[in-house]
Amino acid sequence: DTAVSQTPKYLVTQMGNDKSIKCEQNLGHDTMYWYKQDSKKFLKIMFSYNNKELIINETVPNRFSPKSPDKAHLNLHINSLELGDSAVYFCASSQGTGGTTEAFFGQGTRLTVV
Amino acid sequence: GENVEQHPSTLSVQEGDSAVIKCTYSDSASNYFPWYKQELGKGPQLIIDIRSNVGEKKDQRIAVTLNKTAKHFSLHITETQPEDSAVYFCAASRYGQNFVFGPGTRLSVLP
Repeated sequence: DTAVSQTPKYLVTQMGNDKSIKCEQNLGHDTMYWYKQDSKKFLKIMFSYNNKELIINETVPNRFSPKSPDKAHLNLHINSLELGDSAVYFCASSQGTGGTTEAFFGQGTRLTVV
Repeated sequence: GENVEQHPSTLSVQEGDSAVIKCTYSDSASNYFPWYKQELGKGPQLIIDIRSNVGEKKDQRIAVTLNKTAKHFSLHITETQPEDSAVYFCAASRYGQNFVFGPGTRLSVLP
């Protein structure tokens, strides 16, 4: 029974396309995140949502738009994909407001823009 | 904002030896310090964490130490095994703030 699940696991698409990555958590957590992991393995926060409300929006191009239909879901939509968007994207969740308890990560979505 | 540095970036040890990974952080208000292990093709998974009111914590072969004054914390793995080979990330955070991760350490345990 997967705690944090993302779909798809792999995504290959052409420059200029629009794509979405879905994330669901069944842990009852209040906070969900999107992280980007580049080719050097560096993990960088993109967005943080608490109870469907945006808490943190780091310096991310506005081509990236998160959507949280309910507390258990945080989807990531990307418009006009660029080569530099190629990376592994991780969804995560944690209890409470965030920052003081374990974050549970999904298995990642490897996005390749060609 | 918070900045986390991590050393070394790569570490190779012989099976059975110990491994130590060190991190420093910049924000003195940070009070939660988790360590994550990421295996190939998987998401990071928590292996141990420590809060600022504790100086040391141990869980079987894994231990973490925290020096609040110097703003650094370390991960110690004893009796390393091949399955310990992975990328390890330290992180720092506080209430209401996101986790800031270090750049990672690739640990290789040689049989």
